[in-house]
Amino acid sequence: AQKITQTQPGMFVQEKEAVTLDCTYDTSDPSYGLFWYKQPSSGEMIFLIYQGSYDQQNATEGRYSLNFQKARKSANLVISASQLGDSAMYFCAMRDDALYGGATNKLIFGTGTLLAVQP
Amino acid sequence: NAGVTQTPKFRILKIGQSMTLQCAQDMNHNYMYWYRQDPGMGLKLIYYSVGAGITDKGEVPNGYNVSRSTTEDFPLRLELAAPSQTSVYFCASSYSTGASNQPQHFGDGTRLSIL
Repeated sequence: AQKITQTQPGMFVQEKEAVTLDCTYDTSDPSYGLFWYKQPSSGEMIFLIYQGSYDQQNATEGRYSLNFQKARKSANLVISASQLGDSAMYFCAMRDDALYGGATNKLIFGTGTLLAVQP
Repeated sequence: NAGVTQTPKFRILKIGQSMTLQCAQDMNHNYMYWYRQDPGMGLKLIYYSVGAGITDKGEVPNGYNVSRSTTEDFPLRLELAAPSQTSVYFCASSYSTGASNQPQHFGDGTRLSIL
């Protein structure tokens, strides 16, 4: 069965510093996608970054990068130069891409990490 | 720029009442989903649909029903509300192509309390 594990319930980081949010996953499927979403206190889910299982390079989107270590089944989110507006809940999620058809694009979510950026 | 629209944003129900959570998307996405998020937890899939007329159960379907008569709309029905259904409900949609960087797009959620 597919599973996403986020072991850090909460983290503090100083403004302007970098922070790494951990995510490990478990799947027997060869084709899958990994996503990070941000949920601020207002409640909406904001897509941040995507990594495909066959991507050779780590994904980057502005200040967000994904440290993808396939052999270790980890997909950690790195936020560089933290800002006060980065304070939020962060969710790692996995999608079964069913390479040979039948994909439903369902997402399995971890329990999240609450990040607090301190001035 | 509507995206995924959920109504209502907030609702309080009495135990045993029924209601329908509405979800509409204007991005012509084939796939739509309903999730629930309990306090301090991640999202869990209730039901999903891969196209009009096609629905299937997710991880936590008990106590809910769905229908998908059009591409745009995917309502979620609670028939006999129970306190355990107190949660935040998210509707999402996506393109049908897998193995791509297209994410699921989420609505703003419906906060539901059962008293």
